[in-house]
Amino acid sequence: RKEVEQDPGPFNVPEGATVAFNCTYSNSASQSFFWYRQDCRKEPKLLMSVYSSGNEDGRFTAQLNRASQYISLLIRDSKLSDSATYLCVVNSPLGFGNEKLTFGTGTRLTIIP
Amino acid sequence: ETGVTQSPTHLIKTRGQQVTLRCSSQSGHNTVSWYQQALGQGPQFIFQYYREEENGRGNFPPRFSGLQFPNYSSELNVNALELDDSALYLCASGTGPSMDSPLHFGNGTRLTVT
Repeated sequence: RKEVEQDPGPFNVPEGATVAFNCTYSNSASQSFFWYRQDCRKEPKLLMSVYSSGNEDGRFTAQLNRASQYISLLIRDSKLSDSATYLCVVNSPLGFGNEKLTFGTGTRLTIIP
Repeated sequence: ETGVTQSPTHLIKTRGQQVTLRCSSQSGHNTVSWYQQALGQGPQFIFQYYREEENGRGNFPPRFSGLQFPNYSSELNVNALELDDSALYLCASGTGPSMDSPLHFGNGTRLTVT
């Protein structure tokens, strides 16, 4: 089983629609969680951290369910500029106080005019 | 605009050769981590350096090695290149040893091994 699993998509949705991405992780000791965005042929950029209480940043809402080891990202009123690959990222302990980030394969989103 | 710069941007090497990739961290950052991103995949964690010491390593063989310098710039060295090493190599800088601090990625070095 992969440490972080995402639906690879692609998701093709019309402008203005709401789209949701899901992600599951296997390591119950994982400590923190993020969504990164990666445009084609560009570097990943942090979109938002994910907290147990859920958090919102404008049109974006992230949720974490530790019991189910499940993370989600909701994008409302999607814009053409939201077209990108969305990477689910999990921070897990390596031991000796070290940590590592594990990225999912990413979910490709294309917003259609 | 990212403050992390990587060089070179593209590189072609032959199987069995050695390669060194370079990364300059964003000003004020003392942590650097390296990732390998194959086509259609997410970045895979190679290792992280904090104040010149390796403080975390992913599932990569010892032929992947690195250094962090006093100015917090970094190198990734790969010996005995294999065809499967062809990928985009990303470095990211941050503050502090924890990987909870936001990472700032460079544009990457695209390595092709023939």
